[in-house]
Amino acid sequence: DTGVSQNPRHKITKRGQNVTFRCDPISEHNRLYWYRQTLGQGPEFLTYFQNEAQLEKSRLLSDRFSAERPKGSFSTLEIQRTEQGDSAMYLCASSRMTGGLFNEQFFGPGTRLTVL
Amino acid sequence: DQQVKQNSPSLSVQEGRISILNCDYTNSMFDYFLWYKKYPAEGPTFLISISSIKDKNEDGRFTVFLNKSAKHLSLHIVPSQPGDSAVYFCAVDSNYQLIWGAGTKLIIKP
Repeated sequence: DTGVSQNPRHKITKRGQNVTFRCDPISEHNRLYWYRQTLGQGPEFLTYFQNEAQLEKSRLLSDRFSAERPKGSFSTLEIQRTEQGDSAMYLCASSRMTGGLFNEQFFGPGTRLTVL
Repeated sequence: DQQVKQNSPSLSVQEGRISILNCDYTNSMFDYFLWYKKYPAEGPTFLISISSIKDKNEDGRFTVFLNKSAKHLSLHIVPSQPGDSAVYFCAVDSNYQLIWGAGTKLIIKP
């Protein structure tokens, strides 16, 4: 399977706990994106990496959120001191920058976070 | 403020007929538009796109129309098949990120 993978698929945690999600992009893709999707809404951009550099962060990404992509391969998204409002589907996507008009983003299945 | 709007949360269409999904956007500077399809428990998958220099793009049963003056795009599926039942998202490629509508759930009735 050469698609984008995310782990875990589901995470239930108590308010105040820290959680970490992992994303493994398609191997030759140099861009990696994180999105958050709540019920009845489309995904919202959180942040993106080009290789190992984090180039943009949405204002949605509060200080409790941190993302890394060491060595430009897999990425982790950590949420510290989780709040009930963090409950959502967290989607990871990757793309290969071709210099063309559009770089198709390929999505993983997502990690569903429930904060009790 | 929603920059991309899909005003129909759901749409039900008879198998074999045409499905038309609509999307409106607010920023006339947007220049690349996409449709993604999402099945339950899966991530969105790219379906079809259109550049602002065109008004129509066709790929098999799927056609996207762009009306720049009205800031409106639509996705036509002809003929609709049961496997088309999914949530369809309209999105705009804004450089490094995609800006999404809320989605329309399409149900194809046999």
